[in-house]
Amino acid sequence: DQQVKQNSPSLSVQEGRISILNCDYTNSMFDYFLWYKKYPAEGPTFLISISSIKDKNEDGRFTVFLNKSAKHLSLHIVPSQPGDSAVYFCAALSNAGGTSYGKLTFGQGTILTVHP
Amino acid sequence: ETGVTQSPTHLIKTRGQQVTLRCSSQSGHNTVSWYQQALGQGPQFIFQYYREEENGRGNFPPRFSGLQFPNYSSELNVNALELDDSALYLCASRLSLGGANVLTFGAGSRLTVL
Repeated sequence: DQQVKQNSPSLSVQEGRISILNCDYTNSMFDYFLWYKKYPAEGPTFLISISSIKDKNEDGRFTVFLNKSAKHLSLHIVPSQPGDSAVYFCAALSNAGGTSYGKLTFGQGTILTVHP
Repeated sequence: ETGVTQSPTHLIKTRGQQVTLRCSSQSGHNTVSWYQQALGQGPQFIFQYYREEENGRGNFPPRFSGLQFPNYSSELNVNALELDDSALYLCASRLSLGGANVLTFGAGSRLTVL
């Protein structure tokens, strides 16, 4: 039972353009969402997060949008840079707080390639 | 000491054997989580340890077990290895009062079961 889904295995974008990565979830108990970036031979690194009480969170070139009614979130990267090429994972938490923070449910990942 | 260090980086075992994977957490990080990432999949939560006790487990059988030590290191043990146990195993640590956004992952240990 895949509770967090990233339906696009890969995405190719030109440098300077917008990258949009999508994520869908099925568990209504999820109340905190995160995006991680992973380079080969490295562990995932935190990128940006959003609480279910918000619908948008922005950090520099990265913006995450949350549509609770559709159980959908997306990560926008503007402008995209070649260094952004990596695997991007969407992750979710339920009952966010305290000990639950280590128990993430991840999507399958999307490979983003940004061409110069 | 900064960062999370995992060892070994790669190892090969045969079916039925036992394996121990090690993780050295960032100093002061008293909460550690372990994840299994199969090829082409996202990481899947195995269990979490806080102050040397397991306090949360994912959908993994009892042959997956762990230990956490006072020096911020931890172990993942897998008994009776199966072919499907082949995966990248990730360790992640944080301060107990820290949020998920400060969860620090290691680079992982890649296990191949033949």
